[in-house]
Amino acid sequence: AQTVTQSQPEMSVQEAETVTLSCTYDTSESDYYLFWYKQPPSRQMILVIRQEAYKQQNATENRFSVNFQKAAKSFSLKISDSQLGDAAMYFCAYSFGNEKLTFGTGTRLTIIP
Amino acid sequence: EPEVTQTPSHQVTQMGQEVILRCVPISNHLYFYWYRQILGQKVEFLVSFYNNEISEKSEIFDDQFSVERPDGSNFTLKIRSTKLEDSAMYFCASSKLNTEAFFGQGTRLTVV
Repeated sequence: AQTVTQSQPEMSVQEAETVTLSCTYDTSESDYYLFWYKQPPSRQMILVIRQEAYKQQNATENRFSVNFQKAAKSFSLKISDSQLGDAAMYFCAYSFGNEKLTFGTGTRLTIIP
Repeated sequence: EPEVTQTPSHQVTQMGQEVILRCVPISNHLYFYWYRQILGQKVEFLVSFYNNEISEKSEIFDDQFSVERPDGSNFTLKIRSTKLEDSAMYFCASSKLNTEAFFGQGTRLTVV
Protein backbone atom coordinates (compact mmCIF):
# COMPACT_ATOMS: atom_id res chain seq x y z
CA ALA A 1 0.00 0.00 0.00
CA GLN A 2 1.09 3.52 -0.68
CA THR A 3 2.11 5.68 2.25
CA VAL A 4 2.96 9.35 2.54
CA THR A 5 5.05 10.69 5.41
CA GLN A 6 5.45 14.26 6.53
CA SER A 7 7.92 14.35 9.38
CA GLN A 8 7.52 18.02 10.28
CA PRO A 9 4.25 18.59 12.17
CA GLU A 10 5.02 22.31 12.47
CA MET A 11 7.30 24.79 10.73
CA SER A 12 7.72 28.52 11.02
CA VAL A 13 9.41 31.08 8.81
CA GLN A 14 9.98 34.81 8.83
CA GLU A 15 7.96 36.76 6.33
CA ALA A 16 9.85 37.13 3.01
CA GLU A 17 12.14 34.22 3.81
CA THR A 18 12.23 30.77 2.21
CA VAL A 19 10.97 27.58 3.81
CA THR A 20 11.05 23.95 2.70
CA LEU A 21 8.48 21.36 3.73
CA SER A 22 9.48 17.71 3.53
CA CYS A 23 7.57 14.72 2.25
CA THR A 24 8.52 11.12 1.55
CA TYR A 25 6.36 8.42 0.09
CA ASP A 26 6.40 4.76 -0.66
CA THR A 27 5.05 3.10 -3.79
CA SER A 28 5.84 0.21 -6.10
CA GLU A 29 4.49 2.09 -9.12
CA SER A 30 6.74 3.89 -11.61
CA ASP A 31 4.23 6.38 -12.99
CA TYR A 32 2.18 8.35 -10.50
CA TYR A 33 1.32 11.85 -9.36
CA LEU A 34 2.36 13.88 -6.36
CA PHE A 35 0.65 16.96 -5.01
CA TRP A 36 0.88 19.61 -2.37
CA TYR A 37 -2.43 20.90 -1.04
CA LYS A 38 -2.87 23.93 1.20
CA GLN A 39 -5.56 24.01 3.88
CA PRO A 40 -6.08 27.48 5.40
CA PRO A 41 -8.22 28.01 8.53
CA SER A 42 -11.33 27.89 6.35
CA ARG A 43 -10.41 24.20 5.90
CA GLN A 44 -10.86 24.24 2.15
CA MET A 45 -8.33 22.08 0.27
CA ILE A 46 -6.47 24.14 -2.32
CA LEU A 47 -4.08 22.62 -4.84
CA VAL A 48 -0.68 24.30 -4.67
CA ILE A 49 1.39 22.26 -7.11
CA ARG A 50 1.42 18.94 -8.94
CA GLN A 51 4.24 16.72 -10.22
CA GLU A 52 4.04 13.83 -12.67
CA ALA A 53 6.53 11.13 -11.79
CA TYR A 54 7.58 10.60 -15.41
CA LYS A 55 8.74 14.22 -15.65
CA GLN A 56 12.30 14.82 -14.52
CA GLN A 57 11.82 18.58 -14.38
CA ASN A 58 10.65 19.91 -11.04
CA ALA A 59 7.30 21.67 -11.09
CA THR A 60 7.09 25.36 -10.24
CA GLU A 61 4.15 27.69 -9.65
CA ASN A 62 5.22 31.26 -8.98
CA ARG A 63 6.76 31.27 -5.47
CA PHE A 64 6.19 27.54 -5.01
CA SER A 65 8.53 24.88 -6.33
CA VAL A 66 9.24 21.25 -5.60
CA ASN A 67 12.35 19.13 -5.32
CA PHE A 68 11.30 15.74 -6.67
CA GLN A 69 13.79 12.96 -6.06
CA LYS A 70 12.22 9.84 -7.57
CA ALA A 71 14.89 7.36 -6.53
CA ALA A 72 14.78 8.63 -2.96
CA LYS A 73 10.95 8.90 -3.05
CA SER A 74 11.18 12.42 -1.75
CA PHE A 75 8.96 15.36 -2.70
CA SER A 76 9.68 18.60 -0.85
CA LEU A 77 7.92 21.93 -1.28
CA LYS A 78 9.86 25.18 -1.28
CA ILE A 79 8.03 28.43 -0.63
CA SER A 80 10.03 31.51 -1.55
CA ASP A 81 9.35 35.05 -0.32
CA SER A 82 6.90 33.75 2.30
CA GLN A 83 3.79 35.84 2.79
CA LEU A 84 1.33 36.03 5.66
CA GLY A 85 -1.29 34.43 3.43
CA ASP A 86 0.85 31.31 3.14
CA ALA A 87 0.07 30.39 6.74
CA ALA A 88 -1.87 27.11 6.59
CA MET A 89 -1.67 23.35 6.90
CA TYR A 90 0.16 21.82 3.96
CA PHE A 91 -0.58 18.27 2.91
CA CYS A 92 1.54 16.16 0.62
CA ALA A 93 -0.48 13.64 -1.39
CA TYR A 94 0.05 10.76 -3.81
CA SER A 95 -2.15 9.21 -6.43
CA PHE A 96 -1.85 6.56 -9.10
CA GLY A 97 -3.83 7.60 -12.14
CA ASN A 98 -7.29 8.64 -11.07
CA GLU A 99 -7.27 6.46 -8.01
CA LYS A 100 -7.69 7.91 -4.53
CA LEU A 101 -5.37 10.49 -3.04
CA THR A 102 -3.28 9.27 -0.13
CA PHE A 103 -2.41 12.14 2.18
CA GLY A 104 0.35 12.73 4.68
CA THR A 105 -0.40 13.97 8.17
CA GLY A 106 0.31 17.58 7.27
CA THR A 107 2.69 20.36 8.27
CA ARG A 108 1.35 23.47 9.97
CA LEU A 109 3.20 26.48 8.58
CA THR A 110 3.35 29.69 10.60
CA ILE A 111 4.57 32.93 9.07
CA ILE A 112 6.29 35.29 11.50
CA PRO A 113 5.76 38.96 10.59
CA GLU B 1 -13.68 29.37 -12.89
CA PRO B 2 -15.56 26.08 -12.43
CA GLU B 3 -15.65 24.76 -8.90
CA VAL B 4 -16.97 21.88 -6.85
CA THR B 5 -19.93 22.96 -4.72
CA GLN B 6 -20.99 21.29 -1.49
CA THR B 7 -24.13 21.81 0.56
CA PRO B 8 -24.76 22.38 3.37
CA SER B 9 -21.61 24.02 4.69
CA HIS B 10 -22.48 22.91 8.22
CA GLN B 11 -24.92 20.25 9.39
CA VAL B 12 -25.81 19.41 12.95
CA THR B 13 -27.67 16.14 13.49
CA GLN B 14 -28.81 13.98 16.33
CA MET B 15 -27.03 10.70 16.88
CA GLY B 16 -28.90 7.92 15.08
CA GLN B 17 -30.32 10.21 12.39
CA GLU B 18 -29.60 9.94 8.68
CA VAL B 19 -27.83 12.73 6.82
CA ILE B 20 -27.28 13.39 3.14
CA LEU B 21 -24.34 15.49 2.06
CA ARG B 22 -24.61 16.96 -1.38
CA CYS B 23 -22.02 17.82 -4.00
CA VAL B 24 -22.11 19.27 -7.47
CA PRO B 25 -18.84 18.28 -9.21
CA ILE B 26 -17.30 20.24 -12.05
CA SER B 27 -19.45 19.54 -15.09
CA ASN B 28 -16.97 17.81 -17.41
CA HIS B 29 -15.30 15.74 -14.72
CA LEU B 30 -15.65 11.96 -14.73
CA TYR B 31 -14.23 10.84 -11.41
CA PHE B 32 -15.81 11.66 -8.08
CA TYR B 33 -14.59 11.18 -4.54
CA TRP B 34 -15.56 11.63 -0.92
CA TYR B 35 -12.96 12.23 1.78
CA ARG B 36 -13.27 12.81 5.50
CA GLN B 37 -11.15 14.83 7.90
CA ILE B 38 -11.68 14.51 11.63
CA LEU B 39 -10.61 17.71 13.35
CA GLY B 40 -6.85 17.88 13.73
CA GLN B 41 -6.23 14.74 11.72
CA LYS B 42 -5.28 13.94 8.16
CA VAL B 43 -7.62 13.67 5.23
CA GLU B 44 -8.92 10.13 4.75
CA PHE B 45 -10.32 8.57 1.60
CA LEU B 46 -13.85 7.21 1.79
CA VAL B 47 -14.97 6.26 -1.72
CA SER B 48 -14.41 6.89 -5.40
CA PHE B 49 -17.05 6.75 -8.11
CA TYR B 50 -16.69 6.39 -11.86
CA ASN B 51 -19.03 5.43 -14.65
CA ASN B 52 -21.99 5.32 -12.28
CA GLU B 53 -20.49 2.86 -9.88
CA ILE B 54 -18.14 2.69 -6.93
CA SER B 55 -14.58 2.11 -8.15
CA GLU B 56 -12.92 1.89 -4.75
CA LYS B 57 -13.91 2.23 -1.11
CA SER B 58 -11.96 2.32 2.12
CA GLU B 59 -12.48 0.33 5.30
CA ILE B 60 -14.25 3.36 6.75
CA PHE B 61 -16.93 3.14 4.06
CA ASP B 62 -19.02 0.41 5.61
CA ASP B 63 -22.73 -0.36 5.30
CA GLN B 64 -23.52 2.86 7.13
CA PHE B 65 -22.45 4.84 4.08
CA SER B 66 -23.75 5.00 0.53
CA VAL B 67 -23.17 7.22 -2.49
CA GLU B 68 -25.41 8.09 -5.36
CA ARG B 69 -25.36 10.16 -8.49
CA PRO B 70 -29.10 10.65 -8.86
CA ASP B 71 -28.88 12.86 -11.93
CA GLY B 72 -26.25 14.27 -14.25
CA SER B 73 -24.98 16.84 -11.81
CA ASN B 74 -25.36 15.82 -8.15
CA PHE B 75 -23.22 13.40 -6.18
CA THR B 76 -24.43 12.54 -2.70
CA LEU B 77 -23.06 10.83 0.39
CA LYS B 78 -25.63 9.32 2.73
CA ILE B 79 -24.75 8.38 6.28
CA ARG B 80 -27.34 6.23 8.01
CA SER B 81 -27.72 6.14 11.78
CA THR B 82 -24.99 8.68 12.51
CA LYS B 83 -22.60 8.16 15.40
CA LEU B 84 -20.66 10.70 17.43
CA GLU B 85 -17.44 9.62 15.73
CA ASP B 86 -18.88 10.55 12.34
CA SER B 87 -18.37 14.20 13.29
CA ALA B 88 -15.86 15.50 10.75
CA MET B 89 -15.34 17.65 7.71
CA TYR B 90 -16.51 15.83 4.58
CA PHE B 91 -14.96 16.81 1.28
CA CYS B 92 -16.23 16.04 -2.18
CA ALA B 93 -13.72 16.13 -5.05
CA SER B 94 -13.81 15.56 -8.79
CA SER B 95 -11.30 15.17 -11.59
CA LYS B 96 -10.89 14.53 -15.28
CA LEU B 97 -8.76 11.70 -16.63
CA ASN B 98 -5.22 11.86 -15.24
CA THR B 99 -5.58 15.32 -13.75
CA GLU B 100 -5.60 16.66 -10.24
CA ALA B 101 -8.65 16.46 -8.04
CA PHE B 102 -10.48 19.67 -7.23
CA PHE B 103 -12.08 19.85 -3.82
CA GLY B 104 -15.27 21.47 -2.64
CA GLN B 105 -15.25 23.72 0.39
CA GLY B 106 -16.41 20.89 2.61
CA THR B 107 -19.39 20.12 4.83
CA ARG B 108 -18.79 20.21 8.54
CA LEU B 109 -20.89 17.47 10.12
CA THR B 110 -21.53 17.65 13.85
CA VAL B 111 -23.28 14.72 15.48
CA VAL B 112 -24.72 15.48 18.92
